[in-house]
Amino acid sequence: EAGVTQFPSHSVIEKGQTVTLRCDPISGHDNLYWYRRVMGKEIKFLLHFVKESKQDESGMPNNRFLAERTGGTYSTLKVQPAELEDSGVYFCASSQDLRSGRARGNEQFFGPGTRLTVL
Amino acid sequence: AQKVTQAQTEISVVEKEDVTLDCVYETRDTTYYLFWYKQPPSGELVFLIRRNSFDEQNEISGRYSWNFQKSTSSFNFTITASQVVDSAVYFCALSEDRGSTLGRLYFGRGTQLTVWP
Repeated sequence: EAGVTQFPSHSVIEKGQTVTLRCDPISGHDNLYWYRRVMGKEIKFLLHFVKESKQDESGMPNNRFLAERTGGTYSTLKVQPAELEDSGVYFCASSQDLRSGRARGNEQFFGPGTRLTVL
Repeated sequence: AQKVTQAQTEISVVEKEDVTLDCVYETRDTTYYLFWYKQPPSGELVFLIRRNSFDEQNEISGRYSWNFQKSTSSFNFTITASQVVDSAVYFCALSEDRGSTLGRLYFGRGTQLTVWP
């Protein structure tokens, strides 16, 4: 079974530019989460999709961040325009719906992250 | 509000030593879940364990063991006879119970464990 994949693994952009991060969850996982870790700080929640709907977007820092999950499969996170403080590692995670009866441990499976550097 | 504190920023041990990583949490929920994740140098977060708030039994998995104590709001992780491959950042996390979907995770800042040969 393929794990959660994220693209790109690394992105270096200049302040004011736009960057789009992509996450492909594990096939069949309805839940998709975005998290971010700024250097030296804790990993912070950004938002949660259930299929194509935003279940919880309370962690999105501001309106420069736009997340989409068209069709309930992969998700994109766009930062426009990027600021210096947006630098960090962006993680995506997915999990099964507990009602499916196939959830194993109910854990969120994480991707390798995208390291974003804004200069 | 939910909060997870990992007071140890960095720990260094020599191979075969035992090491305990501390985790203290805060929540007003009566039903919640606690997790430990490992982040090796390759960067991905690897799930280690999930424990729900109604299950205070300690758990052992090979060289890993976890001590959950609701009375002190702690969920500590012990590695017995540590090995160089255990070197990684370890994160403790808490999530709320949201019925059929697993809620957001609240992470601690992580503990960097270095095991020297």
